[in-house]
Amino acid sequence: NAGVTQTPKFQVLKTGQSMTLQCAQDMNHEYMSWYRQDPGMGLRLIHYSVGAGITDQGEVPNGYNVSRSTTEDFPLRLLSAAPSQTSVYFCASSLGRDYYGYTFGSGTRLTVV
Amino acid sequence: KQEVTQIPAALSVPEGENLVLNCSFTDSAIYNLQWFRQDPGKGLTSLLLIQSSQREQTSGRLNASLDKSSGRSTLYIAASQPGDSATYLCAVRPSGKGETSGSRLTFGEGTQLTVNP
Repeated sequence: NAGVTQTPKFQVLKTGQSMTLQCAQDMNHEYMSWYRQDPGMGLRLIHYSVGAGITDQGEVPNGYNVSRSTTEDFPLRLLSAAPSQTSVYFCASSLGRDYYGYTFGSGTRLTVV
Repeated sequence: KQEVTQIPAALSVPEGENLVLNCSFTDSAIYNLQWFRQDPGKGLTSLLLIQSSQREQTSGRLNASLDKSSGRSTLYIAASQPGDSATYLCAVRPSGKGETSGSRLTFGEGTQLTVNP
């Protein structure tokens, strides 16, 4: 049981490049989310999904795209990277029942130069 | 909009001391509250999950309490150890209207704890 797996762990991008951050979970969780963590701003929700084929925007969605074609995977796409997207990105998942907690991945540290 | 505040932002204590970390939230309509630990450069590790109907949860030297009506939670760490040094985050899961309301966590900014040998 691997939990929530994020790849890559580290990435450096040039401004304007695109890339996809991968997130996979093997716990059959319905809910999956992406957060970014920045100093002084805490964790902020980017996008989330309550099941395959269902996604919605969080607090800071601009510049990011998501899709959920399977229960297991929830990739986050950066369309055209900007220095403001330099951050640590966390993927999280939870069973759909509201009384369950969330499990987080180990994060992807992204630097945009 | 739900807001979560953690006080203090940083705390330094000698080894062996009992300590309390505070978390407050503005909207009492929550399903649950979760305490996490984050080590430098690492991900979030779940410590305790308290449902809205519960008053407290315990795990080893950790005890978390919840007073939903006043919008407060505390994390009590007994007999602190240097290995407890980390940032502690609380997050609430809202129970507002809409199918997806319970899917969004709101986090505090954390308390950075240092336990000195």
